[in-house]
Amino acid sequence: AQSVTQLDSHVSVSEGTPVLLRCNYSSSYSPSLFWYVQHPNKGLQLLLKYTSAATLVKGINGFEAEFKKSETSFHLTKPSAHMSDAAEYFCVVTDSGYSTLTFGKGTMLLVSP
Amino acid sequence: DADVTQTPRNRITKTGKRIMLECSQTKGHDRMYWYRQDPGLGLRLIYYSFDVKDINKGEISDGYSVSRQAQAKFSLSLESAIPNQTALYFCATSDGGTGSSQPQHFGDGTRLSIL
Repeated sequence: AQSVTQLDSHVSVSEGTPVLLRCNYSSSYSPSLFWYVQHPNKGLQLLLKYTSAATLVKGINGFEAEFKKSETSFHLTKPSAHMSDAAEYFCVVTDSGYSTLTFGKGTMLLVSP
Repeated sequence: DADVTQTPRNRITKTGKRIMLECSQTKGHDRMYWYRQDPGLGLRLIYYSFDVKDINKGEISDGYSVSRQAQAKFSLSLESAIPNQTALYFCATSDGGTGSSQPQHFGDGTRLSIL
């Protein structure tokens, strides 16, 4: 069975400061991991994905995530937050058979001026 | 035009009514999915289909049914709607591919309220 835990339901940062959104996963097989972002009244957009290639994955809009097998973590980071980054972020895991995705409960990122 | 289109975008209805949510895609993907999103719970899988002849139950299929009318169309039905089915519903598609995992592409959602 696979599962994912997003450690913070809300994260607040100031514009220009670093962003860290934390995600731990559990998977019986070699996992594939994704981060999605959801802006208000919109569907989910893929930010980045890890599929057993490089452990440091770069995504869109300056985001990146590092896969750490020993810590079963896949945290999302960005060096400098922008107001447009305010949204809900979902960490997602799937096993190597890629049948279905399992979503975390989401982290709401709030960015203040 | 959007690659994954959901209709309607918003719907308010009464308990006991039959509701159909529709999803169509222009991405040419074989795989389609229906999810519901509730605040604080993330997305949960209702049904998924890997091709026209393949339908599978997800985590929370009770009270729902689906129909895969064509590769590009996947509809979700609530046969007798109840208030706790009030939620935001998403359709998604993905390429079956081989080997590596393919990301899913989402529609903009249908906000369903059942009174």
